[in-house]
Amino acid sequence: AQRVTQPEKLLSVFKGAPVELKCNYSYSGSPELFWYVQYSRQRLQLLLRHISRESIKGFTADLNKGETSFHLKKPFAQEEDSAMYYCALSGGGGADGLTFGKGTHLIIQP
Amino acid sequence: GAVVSQHPSWVICKSGTSVKIECRSLDFQATTMFWYRQFPKQSLMLMATSNEGSKATYEQGVEKDKFLINHASLTLSTLTVTSAHPEDSSFYICSAGLAGAGDTQYFGPGTRLTVL
Repeated sequence: AQRVTQPEKLLSVFKGAPVELKCNYSYSGSPELFWYVQYSRQRLQLLLRHISRESIKGFTADLNKGETSFHLKKPFAQEEDSAMYYCALSGGGGADGLTFGKGTHLIIQP
Repeated sequence: GAVVSQHPSWVICKSGTSVKIECRSLDFQATTMFWYRQFPKQSLMLMATSNEGSKATYEQGVEKDKFLINHASLTLSTLTVTSAHPEDSSFYICSAGLAGAGDTQYFGPGTRLTVL
């Protein structure tokens, strides 16, 4: 069965400090991995997907198949990064629902 | 682009009644839409995959007779919670995939259902 694990429920860092939100997955195949973000009182929105290999709002995530990880990183946190972050997985093919991790609440302190 | 709406944003109903939630893709066509459920302080759980013109595919443990899904057009999917009970109270979120965007999904704002 596919599973996504986000070990940290809450992560608090100071503004300007580096951020790393951890995500590990379990899937027998080649999954697509995503990070979604939910700002206060807003809907879930895509932050980035592994196949795009892009940096969004300073965030990057590298898929490590050996460690089955897809950690989200940002070198210098900003206060506006405070939000709920969900790591998600799909089986690929365009018709699969997403399996979500439990989410990490990121708080950036001034 | 790729905006998904839901209606209503919240609903309160009496136990035993049925509630219909609509999910619309506003500026694109979606052959596949998804329905998720989110309990307080928990993650989203996939309930079912809604396919335009065919029957929905339900995840294990989700009662298809209780959660009726209809995807009658390329821009509209509906979820009907039949004979709702207090334990059905939850946040229901739909999403839609955009052609050419792989498995990227665009999410609606969600519907808060409270069953008294």
